[in-house]
Amino acid sequence: AQSVAQPEDQVNVAEGNPLTVKCTYSVSGNPYLFWYVQYPNRGLQFLLKYITGDNLVKGSYGFEAEFNKSQTSFHLKKPSALVSDSALYFCAVSPGGNTGKLIFGQGTTLQVKP
Amino acid sequence: KAGVTQTPRYLIKTRGQQVTLSCSPISGHRSVSWYQQTPGQGLQFLFEYFSETQRNKGNFPGRFSGRQFSNSRSEMNVSTLELGDSALYLCASSPRDPPTEQFFGPGTRLTVL
Repeated sequence: AQSVAQPEDQVNVAEGNPLTVKCTYSVSGNPYLFWYVQYPNRGLQFLLKYITGDNLVKGSYGFEAEFNKSQTSFHLKKPSALVSDSALYFCAVSPGGNTGKLIFGQGTTLQVKP
Repeated sequence: KAGVTQTPRYLIKTRGQQVTLSCSPISGHRSVSWYQQTPGQGLQFLFEYFSETQRNKGNFPGRFSGRQFSNSRSEMNVSTLELGDSALYLCASSPRDPPTEQFFGPGTRLTVL
């Protein structure tokens, strides 16, 4: 079965420190990979995507993600966290082909403390 | 450009009733998808539409249905509501086909009493 795993329910980091939010996936073929962020009582906001090409992709608000095909991982990173980055982060995978269906991880709450 | 809009934002219904939720995609986007978000099950795919055709459907009972109109606006309908249908229903649109990144609306919060 196709699945996405975010092994940490919550990640705590001090402001100014680097952050990593982990994601692994189990989807056959060459899936498309995404990160979304959700603020309270809001919809999902697109951060970045990997379709093909360079394994390090850059996105909005200084976030980047590293695709590792052998480890089937797509970890979200930021060199210096801000308090305003505190939110719920979702990793999502699309099997590709003729569908945009997204399979989501369960989400990771990022808490950045001043 | 205006974002994805969803109406209504909040809805309260009782068991057994039916409900229709509406989604207007970003102008020019022809691909629309729906997702259900609950604390227990997380985010789950409901449907995907392109050019008025349902291209993909998630693992939900037949009480859940949807459609897309010629202007790309989409509706989803849930009949015979159950308590477990209480959720945030999110609509997303994509500028590309097949879809790559999708842009989400604020959602409709459905509460079933």
